[in-house]
Amino acid sequence: NAGVTQTPKFRVLKTGQSMTLLCAQDMNHEYMYWYRQDPGMGLRLIHYSVGEGTTAKGEVPDGYNVSRLKKQNFLLGLESAAPSQTSVYFCASSYGQGPVGGTDTQYFGPGTRLTVL
Amino acid sequence: GDSVTQMEGPVTLSEEAFLTINCTYTATGYPSLFWYVQYPGEGLQLLLKATKADDKGSNKGFEATYRKETTSFHLEKGSVQVSDSAVYFCALSMLRDRDDKIIFGKGTRLHILP
Repeated sequence: NAGVTQTPKFRVLKTGQSMTLLCAQDMNHEYMYWYRQDPGMGLRLIHYSVGEGTTAKGEVPDGYNVSRLKKQNFLLGLESAAPSQTSVYFCASSYGQGPVGGTDTQYFGPGTRLTVL
Repeated sequence: GDSVTQMEGPVTLSEEAFLTINCTYTATGYPSLFWYVQYPGEGLQLLLKATKADDKGSNKGFEATYRKETTSFHLEKGSVQVSDSAVYFCALSMLRDRDDKIIFGKGTRLHILP
């Protein structure tokens, strides 16, 4: 099992450029998530999906779009990158809701470090 | 709304010292509680969890007890090692509807000196 993989690992963009980050999981998880991690801010949820074909907004969705066309993949798009989107992006997945309530354990990818100049 | 507050770092200790990282939460119901760890250059991974009051989660020598009366889930380890140097995140989740999510604290960076 590869677990959760993310591509690319690093990327540098110029302001206004677009790009797509790919997340893939091989654990047959229903739920997938995109977070950004910034110094002193912890993890903030951008968008998430509770199943194939579904997406929903998280805490900081502006400037990002997502798609979940296949259960194993969750794509994060930046249509017009801005310097404020410089961050480390993490994808995560989970089986679903835990058996006694609450979200099941989330499994994280290694992250993508994005710099927008 | 629901939230998690954990002690700010960095925390610097010598090897074999006792560790406590404080975490308190605010929630309107009965959340599940988690500690995740992030080693340098890696993603987060679950360290331990507890799903109801008085439960104790434990893993790799770390422990945390779900204290409903003090709304706390403090992380402890009796003797830390250099390899424990990492960022530690406290988190909670609530089962309200299908769109359940985890709320993370801001993280506490731990440095262990040899």
